[in-house]
Amino acid sequence: KQEVTQIPAALSVPEGENLVLNCSFTDSAIYNLQWFRQDPGKGLTSLLLIQSSQREQTSGRLNASLDKSSGRSTLYIAASQPGDSATYLCAVGGNRGGSQGNLIFGKGTKLSVKP
Amino acid sequence: NAGVTQTPKFQVLKTGQSMTLQCAQDMNHEYMSWYRQDPGMGLRLIHYSVGAGITDQGEVPNGYNVSRSTTEDFPLRLLSAAPSQTSVYFCASSWRNTGELFFGEGSRLTVL
Repeated sequence: KQEVTQIPAALSVPEGENLVLNCSFTDSAIYNLQWFRQDPGKGLTSLLLIQSSQREQTSGRLNASLDKSSGRSTLYIAASQPGDSATYLCAVGGNRGGSQGNLIFGKGTKLSVKP
Repeated sequence: NAGVTQTPKFQVLKTGQSMTLQCAQDMNHEYMSWYRQDPGMGLRLIHYSVGAGITDQGEVPNGYNVSRSTTEDFPLRLLSAAPSQTSVYFCASSWRNTGELFFGEGSRLTVL
């Protein structure tokens, strides 16, 4: 059974720091991996989607990498800002045809960026 | 585009009552799903659908029912509410092949 772990559970950094959030998964036979952001009391917003054939994706100050063989992904946030404060969730998608959208989620890393 | 719309946003039920959480998307997505989010448990898949007329069970389907009569709508029915079903429920949709998942704002359900 696929398990997704995110470390650390919480992280507090001063504004301007570059930071890395970690995600590990136990089964390397994945279809894709997604990083989401969740603000308190809100839904999830997709940040980056990496297909299993890709090694990284970038969007603005965000860069996500994928190493399937080691079962790891990282989300790099450059020049962090207080507006980046949120919970970041990693999720992996299964590789069976009909269930490609069925994501297994980690429990998230709660990020606090202090001014 | 409104994206994924869930109603109601908040609901309080008594044990044994039934209700339906509504989910609609206007992106013509084939795939739709329901998750529940609980403290310490993360998000868990309840049911999903890969197209109109096709549904399947996820990780925690007991006590819930779904149907998919149209591409746009995917309601989640609680048959006889129990306190263990107190949670925040999220509906999500995606293109089948792309897999990028778009979420609604959530429905917070309390069962007394």
